[in-house]
Amino acid sequence: QSALTQPRSVSGSPGQSVTISCTGTSSDVGASDYVSWYKQVPGRAPQLLIHDVTRRPSGVPDRFAGSKSGNTASLAISGLQTDDEGDYYCCSSAGSFALVFGGGTKLTVL
Amino acid sequence: EVQLVQSGAGVKEPGESLKISCKGSGYSFISYWIGWVRQMPGKGLEWMGMIHPIDSDARYSPSFQGQVTMSADNSISTVYLHWSSLKASDSAMYYCARLDVGVSTGTIDYVDLWGQGTLVTVSS
Repeated sequence: QSALTQPRSVSGSPGQSVTISCTGTSSDVGASDYVSWYKQVPGRAPQLLIHDVTRRPSGVPDRFAGSKSGNTASLAISGLQTDDEGDYYCCSSAGSFALVFGGGTKLTVL
Repeated sequence: EVQLVQSGAGVKEPGESLKISCKGSGYSFISYWIGWVRQMPGKGLEWMGMIHPIDSDARYSPSFQGQVTMSADNSISTVYLHWSSLKASDSAMYYCARLDVGVSTGTIDYVDLWGQGTLVTVSS
């Protein structure tokens, strides 16, 4: 199972919006209602941002929005803040008892 | 508090064995699959596999099948990841993760809880 494809880095200024793409195949992202997104800051475990493609856990602001079209999922972040900096990973179910992660995207808030 | 607490960092030489642990608390430990995720230095997250504590049913990613062994002791709410003969390339951070899994399909929805990670260093 190959990793999902994400851009290595994205950047934006405070207040702006950015979108991170996550491209898989018809065996994972394209076939799945179970795409999730995680944020990781250096030295810490990942944290859940989005699950089931579009759903936000309680406590995650609505500035974060997930979507999917075909084999590509996306995470949109609006109203960028400096503490949004970190590494963002997409993840998809890949059949029974399997997950596949994206390679990660480093978000820099300029 | 609902949490997964992992064992501390380990430094080993190539060829040695190692078992790291992940202890759940604050929830019904036997109700959830626990997965393991590797993160090599400066790299992304990799899915290793998962185990159900109630019967130790373990499912491995093909990339890790035969390289590690997952086990569980539900009497102490703990799962383990074991290497019988470490290699330098096993040096990484390892995370345990509580999974939301479809009961009848085995489809993993998402990770809703992460351990803090265990750093494994293999060096001569």
